[in-house]
Amino acid sequence: GQQVMQIPQYQHVQEGEDFTTYCNSSTTLSNIQWYKQRPGGHPVFLIQLVKSGEVKKQKRLTFQFGEAKKNSSLHITATQTTDVGTYFCAGVGGGATNKLIFGTGTLLAVQP
Amino acid sequence: KAGVTQTPRYLIKTRGQQVTLSCSPISGHRSVSWYQQTPGQGLQFLFEYFSETQRNKGNFPGRFSGRQFSNSRSEMNVSTLELGDSALYLCASSLAGGYTFGSGTRLTVV
Repeated sequence: GQQVMQIPQYQHVQEGEDFTTYCNSSTTLSNIQWYKQRPGGHPVFLIQLVKSGEVKKQKRLTFQFGEAKKNSSLHITATQTTDVGTYFCAGVGGGATNKLIFGTGTLLAVQP
Repeated sequence: KAGVTQTPRYLIKTRGQQVTLSCSPISGHRSVSWYQQTPGQGLQFLFEYFSETQRNKGNFPGRFSGRQFSNSRSEMNVSTLELGDSALYLCASSLAGGYTFGSGTRLTVV
């Protein structure tokens, strides 16, 4: 079945450093979504990418969707302590259904 | 606008019992999905409902079942509980695009 892997599993940075997490799917995706889950919380939707090669920015966050629509990345510039949490990518496979498969997640720790 | 509401928030059950969890989606959202979250397995897809029909199902045993009502509210049921069923069960609703998650039901099986 469809699998979505993320690397790294865990990243510890000093506040102000940049952070990147990478997401790879075993199958081509119709779109990819990114979520953030704070410790003790639930996933919160950040963004959806649909087009091959698409790049979107949200303030310090930059999201990319690969040309082959099988990989994606999230880059955070100048991390802040409020960025702490687990970042998940989630892919929707092709076809008529909306089955959203979550990646393994990257836990980001930010040291002040 | 109210978010996704899940009840109960916490539940403790004994092995062998059954449990029913409830999810009320955002008004107007017809798609409801359920996920199981554990530290070891991450977020695992259980099933998705749309207009009272199960549209997708994950790789869980038949002890896990669900349904959706005409008002889009959804329930999931787990029968013959096992210790390994202890997890955070998350419900999410969607209109188009991103999913909005509820706060989840923390199920502990003892």
